[in-house]
Amino acid sequence: AQRVTQPEKLLSVFKGAPVELKCNYSYSGSPELFWYVQYSRQRLQLLLRHISRESIKGFTADLNKGETSFHLKKPFAQEEDSAMYYCALGGAQSGSARQLTFGSGTQLTVLP
Amino acid sequence: DSGVTQTPKHLITATGQRVTLRCSPRSGDLSVYWYQQSLDQGLQFLIQYYNGEERAKGNILERFSAQQFPDLHSELNLSSLELGDSALYFCASSVTGQGFAEAFFGQGTRLTVV
Repeated sequence: AQRVTQPEKLLSVFKGAPVELKCNYSYSGSPELFWYVQYSRQRLQLLLRHISRESIKGFTADLNKGETSFHLKKPFAQEEDSAMYYCALGGAQSGSARQLTFGSGTQLTVLP
Repeated sequence: DSGVTQTPKHLITATGQRVTLRCSPRSGDLSVYWYQQSLDQGLQFLIQYYNGEERAKGNILERFSAQQFPDLHSELNLSSLELGDSALYFCASSVTGQGFAEAFFGQGTRLTVV
């Protein structure tokens, strides 16, 4: 079974402070991990994926297989970063179909 | 624009009624996912179709059903609606098989049951 855990439902930081949104996963195979962002209950948008090792809007995330974690980090939070963030795991290949499992989400609020 | 289209954007209906939500995936995507997002439950996976066949089932009620048609669009049917079914219903599509499981989301259908 695959599972994604985001332990923090709510997270508040001040503008300019570092932010880290935690994500832990459980999966026996080789995972594909993603972070999605949702602004004001709009469409979910892909923020970044572990395999491309890119930085989007100043956010980065490193896959730590030993700790089974994929935490999202940004050194200096901005007010426009306030949103709901979902960690997602792609795995459990069934035939040629992959299942995407989302964590419960973390609502980030960046205070002025 | 993600390329995933959901209709209608908003839907208001009464308890006990039946509604159909429609999703057109991105061109070339074979897999369609349905998610329910409510204030208290977060983002809940309902069901996944791949090339017309059901591939995975999540927390989908028996009153709900879905299908994917030969042209790959999908419909989610919700029947005997209850107040608690009020939520944002998202559809997502992805290219499955080799490669990433990255999903592209539609803008959602906001269902209000009164």
